[in-house]
Amino acid sequence: EPEVTQTPSHQVTQMGQEVILRCVPISNHLYFYWYRQILGQKVEFLVSFYNNEISEKSEIFDDQFSVERPDGSNFTLKIRSTKLEDSAMYFCASPGTGAVQETQYFGPGTRLLVL
Amino acid sequence: EDQVTQSPEALRLQEGESSSLNCSYTVSGLRGLFWYRQDPGKGPEFLFTLYSAGEEKEKERLKATLTKKESFLHITAPKPEDSATYLCAVQAAGAAGNKLTFGGGTRVLVKP
Repeated sequence: EPEVTQTPSHQVTQMGQEVILRCVPISNHLYFYWYRQILGQKVEFLVSFYNNEISEKSEIFDDQFSVERPDGSNFTLKIRSTKLEDSAMYFCASPGTGAVQETQYFGPGTRLLVL
Repeated sequence: EDQVTQSPEALRLQEGESSSLNCSYTVSGLRGLFWYRQDPGKGPEFLFTLYSAGEEKEKERLKATLTKKESFLHITAPKPEDSATYLCAVQAAGAAGNKLTFGGGTRVLVKP
């Protein structure tokens, strides 16, 4: 399976602080996605990003969230002012190589704990 | 709005005891239905993509099937290492961002 990497694996922050989660998707892909999973709940879509622009976002992805591509291979999810309810696992995902573009491959996740 | 419902929520099996997991979905035109395996504290691991009713895919002890309203994941003669949460997700045709809508998952525990 193609590899997507994420850093950090764990992050603890105080409420109101900014956090930046990083992802390196499968190489040479213009598409990537962010999802989150609150403990014990469903995996939820946050945002899809294509060719340096947001192509779709969910209701969860409000003004406190932003996504960027600071360089050619790294993508970031920034939460400007964290809330207790932002505590969750955050996953980035990337399509694989080859003809099957619909399949999304997930990274190992960043566990965010907001205190 | 796309919806995915998985049943049962949890399943306890003896090693070798075959069973099936259900994924019911409603979507405005299906581009693809996806099965993932998720181990505790890990990211979803891709298993299968199904595109049209009647399609079947197999991988080791797992077999996924698709109808117009639901998908089944059959686990044949499971082993303890098959213990995991199995997630089903759908992708709508024509969706601008290709988002996946997930079900709540089925937690499978296979006892030796």
